[in-house]
Amino acid sequence: QVQLQESGPGLVKPSETLSLTCSVSGGSISSGYFWSWIRQNPGKGLEWIGYIYFSGSTSYNPSLKSRVTMSLDTSKNQFSLHLTSVTAADTAVYYCARVRYNKPFDPWGQGTLVTVSS
Amino acid sequence: QPVLTQPPSVSGAPGQRVSISCTGTRSNIGATYDVHWYQQLPGAAPKLLIYDNTNRPSGVPDRFSGSKSGTSASLAITGLQAEDEADYYCQSYDSSLSDSWVFGGGTKLTVL
Repeated sequence: QVQLQESGPGLVKPSETLSLTCSVSGGSISSGYFWSWIRQNPGKGLEWIGYIYFSGSTSYNPSLKSRVTMSLDTSKNQFSLHLTSVTAADTAVYYCARVRYNKPFDPWGQGTLVTVSS
Repeated sequence: QPVLTQPPSVSGAPGQRVSISCTGTRSNIGATYDVHWYQQLPGAAPKLLIYDNTNRPSGVPDRFSGSKSGTSASLAITGLQAEDEADYYCQSYDSSLSDSWVFGGGTKLTVL
């Protein structure tokens, strides 16, 4: 079955760019799914960040849109998240997940904690 | 502020039944978009519990059930067990926010 795994720095300085990669195994990233990022601030709920479609088209949460970009690397079966100008409010566990229109997120990666601190 | 509204907490004794509500609007649940539920144990990623309003993935006990009516949905858990203590989230799709998936704020279930 499809499995997802996040990777990237666990510590990012304020004002810098947070970059994470999600590696997909057991299936092709070029299949017809929306590859998404979701985050969870410590002790808080889940927030959808955005998705990248296998075609490369994207959609982002309006609250983060000005700072988010996502990209695909089909040769590595990976997709990535870049969040610029981070602050302490961006400290969170970041999950990658697969979704289709009007469907649930499934599966999820195990999540990776990113702390924004100098 | 979460788009979908859930109670912050619910509790029940072992063996009892509890219900968690999820209230949306006409642009998400009320627009006939499906509702999905996740269980999140401490330190773990969310796990899909109910999909498409009422369906259970393979391996989820039939003690868990979902329903939807109008702009709201509910998750019911019968025969409460200690292992059910977790956070529960509802999720849907919203057409007013330019192609967005939305979550509830989460409900902490405490088994007394």
